[in-house]
Amino acid sequence: RKEVEQDPGPFNVPEGATVAFNCTYSNSASQSFFWYRQDCRKEPKLLMSVYSSGNEDGRFTAQLNRASQYISLLIRDSKLSDSATYLCAVYLNRDDKIIFGKGTRLHILP
Amino acid sequence: EAGVAQSPRYKIIEKRQSVAFWCNPISGHATLYWYQQILGQGPKLLIQFQNNGVVDDSQLPKDRFSAERLKGVDSTLKIQPAKLEDSAVYLCASRHPEYTGELFFGEGSRLTVL
Repeated sequence: RKEVEQDPGPFNVPEGATVAFNCTYSNSASQSFFWYRQDCRKEPKLLMSVYSSGNEDGRFTAQLNRASQYISLLIRDSKLSDSATYLCAVYLNRDDKIIFGKGTRLHILP
Repeated sequence: EAGVAQSPRYKIIEKRQSVAFWCNPISGHATLYWYQQILGQGPKLLIQFQNNGVVDDSQLPKDRFSAERLKGVDSTLKIQPAKLEDSAVYLCASRHPEYTGELFFGEGSRLTVL
């Protein structure tokens, strides 16, 4: 089983819709979790951290389910500018290592 | 604040040739990473430095790849000899000592091996 798994998509979603995707991780010792956004031919940039209690930043909500070992990202009222690849990242405290998933491609359709 | 600097941005070489990439992290960031990102995939960690010491190089193909960070600041990643499957974007990232998850990436060096 891969350390971090994501559905590669693409998710084709009409503008204004709500979209959600998950990321599963295999190492139960994983310490911290993050969503990164990567635009086409650009470098990844941190979108948001994922806390145990869940967190929200505007239209974006991230949640963590430690029991089932997955994190999720919900985007409400999607905009054309949300089109990107969303990378899940897991920080392994023991190894001081950050592992990325393959990313989920999102296309927002006008 | 200056970001992570990488060069060259693009490089085209033939197989069996060599190439070197350079990275200058954000000032004060002790941890530096080199990731390989093949088209359509997520970044794959090649090597991680803490200051000038290697923390993890378990996924670095050591028969052809080498990396160094001699003075604990900038770093170079070398490939010799290159193979077709080395075509990828090589991303350098750095991290502040106190923030475990936020990596700051450079724009990447795009390598094409013909």
